[in-house]
Amino acid sequence: DAGVIQSPRHEVTEMGQEVTLRCKPISGHDYLFWYRQTMMRGLELLIYFNNNVPIDDSGMPEDRFSAKMPNASFSTLKIQPSEPRDSAVYFCASSHLMPTGGRETQYFGPGTRLLVL
Amino acid sequence: AQSVTQLDSQVPVFEEAPVELRCNYSSSVSVYLFWYVQYPNQGLQLLLKYLSGSTLVKGINGFEAEFNKSQTSFHLRKPSVHISDTAEYFCAASKAAGNKLTFGGGTRVLVKP
Repeated sequence: DAGVIQSPRHEVTEMGQEVTLRCKPISGHDYLFWYRQTMMRGLELLIYFNNNVPIDDSGMPEDRFSAKMPNASFSTLKIQPSEPRDSAVYFCASSHLMPTGGRETQYFGPGTRLLVL
Repeated sequence: AQSVTQLDSQVPVFEEAPVELRCNYSSSVSVYLFWYVQYPNQGLQLLLKYLSGSTLVKGINGFEAEFNKSQTSFHLRKPSVHISDTAEYFCAASKAAGNKLTFGGGTRVLVKP
């Protein structure tokens, strides 16, 4: 398997523009997670999905952020309008349920490095 | 609420010396524990995990960690580091039946020749 795929790997945009980050989870994984990593706040969970349904979006910073998962193989994280404080590395991760019912390892994508000027 | 604390933000170490990265967690329920490594400009890669069973867990690249329930710790060790171990290391925890990972603040390891 190719692992979790994220695009773009780097994005530079101007304040006020819309930004869309994309993620393709590992085939067969039924959980998908979006994280943000900054120097100040470390790694933060933004939102996660189970079987394409958002389960917990309590980490989403504000209404400017939205995430969708239209099918099992694709998810987007959108920021509209973007602000300089959104500059960060955004990671997508996926996992699946173990036969015993516990959570299996989360596998991370390479991340999207976002710079908002 | 669950929290994970990594006591050292940076650890400089000489090549071929041992290293220990400390991690403590707080949780009132059973937890799964993980160590991830992040090489420069890359995503996180799983080093090892504790789900149940033996408290000494062996992972990739010669790393191991010991789960200590009484001290609520999950310290990571490697007996002899290489230059290539220079990276940031993250300890993480999740509820045994939960889905969300809580990460520590990370420990940056710099291996010097």
